[in-house]
Amino acid sequence: GENVEQHPSTLSVQEGDSAVIKCTYSDSASNYFPWYKQELGKRPQLIIDIRSNVGEKKDQRIAVTLNKTAKHFSLHITETQPEDSAVYFCAASRGGWNFNKFYFGSGTKLNVKP
Amino acid sequence: DVKVTQSSRYLVKRTGEKVFLECVQDMDHENMFWYRQDPGLGLRLIYFSYDVKMKEKGDIPEGYSVSREKKERFSLILESASTNQTSMYLCASSGGRGRENEQFFGPGTRLTVL
Repeated sequence: GENVEQHPSTLSVQEGDSAVIKCTYSDSASNYFPWYKQELGKRPQLIIDIRSNVGEKKDQRIAVTLNKTAKHFSLHITETQPEDSAVYFCAASRGGWNFNKFYFGSGTKLNVKP
Repeated sequence: DVKVTQSSRYLVKRTGEKVFLECVQDMDHENMFWYRQDPGLGLRLIYFSYDVKMKEKGDIPEGYSVSREKKERFSLILESASTNQTSMYLCASSGGRGRENEQFFGPGTRLTVL
């Protein structure tokens, strides 16, 4: 099955700096890569996703890049703010209409210091 | 707005008890999932269902069973609770038109087995 590894497990940055979280996957058939943000005591929520036919996707201060050949994808947050502090999870999936099973990374706890 | 609800936010049970965790979604989603979340391990899939009365084992099904008698409801059952099942349990659903791949999470149930 799929194996997703995520690094680093914790990341501390100063407000205004950039943060990068990296994930690798093993299944070349995976074609959908979402990122979830989980604030303390709350449910995970999708913040951005990318499909394998695209190399990069941006949404305001967050972006995701995908390298299919190397089987890795990354989350980039620019101009970090204290409200970005949370645990971030990457995932990989074969996608599709039916039962899109996700394989999650182990999570990265991001701390943005004011 | 998609809503996924879980029957309890906190639950305390004794070793050997039978435990039921309920999840309900209101968006007519085909797919439903049960995960457990433990620090440093991310989200691990226990069971999922892609249709009423259908179920598939995830990565860690041992000690658990599930039931899906109605499309909107997916139950996780611990037949005989053990202390190593103390964890946060998250339910999710997916399958909405235009957002087929996105999984929507419930608020979680923190289960403590004494």
